[in-house]
Amino acid sequence: QAVVTQEPSFSVSPGGTVTLTCGLTSGSVSTSHYAAWYQQTPGQTPRPLFHNTDTRSSGVPARFSGSILGDKAALTIAGAQADDESDYYCVLYRNGAWVFGGGTRLTVL
Amino acid sequence: VELVQSGAEVKKPGDSLKISCKGSGYNFATYWIGWVRQMPGQGLEWMGIIYPGDSDTRYGPSFQGQVTISADTSMSAAYLQWTSLRASDTGTYFCVRRCGGDCYEFDYWGQGTLVTVSS
Repeated sequence: QAVVTQEPSFSVSPGGTVTLTCGLTSGSVSTSHYAAWYQQTPGQTPRPLFHNTDTRSSGVPARFSGSILGDKAALTIAGAQADDESDYYCVLYRNGAWVFGGGTRLTVL
Repeated sequence: VELVQSGAEVKKPGDSLKISCKGSGYNFATYWIGWVRQMPGQGLEWMGIIYPGDSDTRYGPSFQGQVTISADTSMSAAYLQWTSLRASDTGTYFCVRRCGGDCYEFDYWGQGTLVTVSS
């Protein structure tokens, strides 16, 4: 089974733009993987951000966007704010099963 | 929509355990319910999923044979069960609802159940 890859950590300046990616150790991510993204702050339940690659979940600000970039799914955060500092997880669906990536810890400083 | 999980558990290696997730505010039988593990300080892992209406169940490769997922539509509850716990089962377990139709998101999450396995 292919492993889902994410950057372990990323840093962005307040007001800046950052793109987190979600790839596969073998093959490309496409819309048929129905990529979803979740945000989790320590001790909290994960919050849905996107599903079906680019469909924004309820209450998610427009400065967050989901897409396919090259052979990976991507989560872009524009105008980063202090409370965006969280862990971000992608999950891919294939053949009746879901696989989470290892998560990216985003620091805003 | 709300998923409410059973409370924290402290168990010894070799013990059995069954934790629950009770759904409300929607037709429980017609939405898939899954389980996600988060070991201390680690990421999220998809364990498996069940369709309560017919008990169709799928497991992630790492969890097949290690746990049992079940559901009871009369109670609007899903369950995650172990027959013999190990220390490595320590973690927080979230139940999740898969959104309906042609949708692959986990749109609602339970609050999590912390399971601690220690001698």
